[in-house]
Amino acid sequence: DAKTTQPNSMESNEEEPVHLPCNHSTISGTDYIHWYRQLPSQGPEYVIHGLTSNVNNRMASLAIAEDRKSSTLILHRATLRDAAVYYCILRDVSGGSNYKLTFGKGTLLTVNP
Amino acid sequence: KAGVTQTPRYLIKTRGQQVTLSCSPISGHRSVSWYQQTPGQGLQFLFEYFSETQRNKGNFPGRFSGRQFSNSRSEMNVSTLELGDSALYLCASSLAMTSTDTQYFGPGTRLTVL
Repeated sequence: DAKTTQPNSMESNEEEPVHLPCNHSTISGTDYIHWYRQLPSQGPEYVIHGLTSNVNNRMASLAIAEDRKSSTLILHRATLRDAAVYYCILRDVSGGSNYKLTFGKGTLLTVNP
Repeated sequence: KAGVTQTPRYLIKTRGQQVTLSCSPISGHRSVSWYQQTPGQGLQFLFEYFSETQRNKGNFPGRFSGRQFSNSRSEMNVSTLELGDSALYLCASSLAMTSTDTQYFGPGTRLTVL
């Protein structure tokens, strides 16, 4: 499985933008980049995903480097509810039917009021 | 639309016992995956089912097994429980099995083995 590297923790202030980086230097051409987050005492929830182009949705934006070896999840205005562990995941499609999510340690985001 | 439900939410067992956990996916979803979450190992993939067939399996001993029914509901079973099996067990469902399908997670079952 291609691996991802994320900082262990990051801190932000409420209503400020947050840029969460992820390195994935061994990404293959058909790997999608997914982001999930896990709020305290809850199961993970989907945030966003992309392949090559930058993506936006109501929750966040995903900026993907031109060489696809890194990506950045952008929360435009952090709220206290965004405090969570954020996981950057490469969706493995090798082997024909291998679509599991391989979670790393993730980044613990703390949002200060 | 109702989300993924898991039962029971909490469970206490003793070493050597066996346990069955249940997962009801979102209506219309045909794929169910199971994950184990522990403080030391994080989130680890257990197995994935689609149309009642196990399509993928993680690196767990044979004591961990699962199945999926025709209505897409899934169960996982752990036999001969060990202390290290104490964990949060998460179930996730998705419409199909592709690299873009979103997985929707349930709240999990907290298993404690004494």
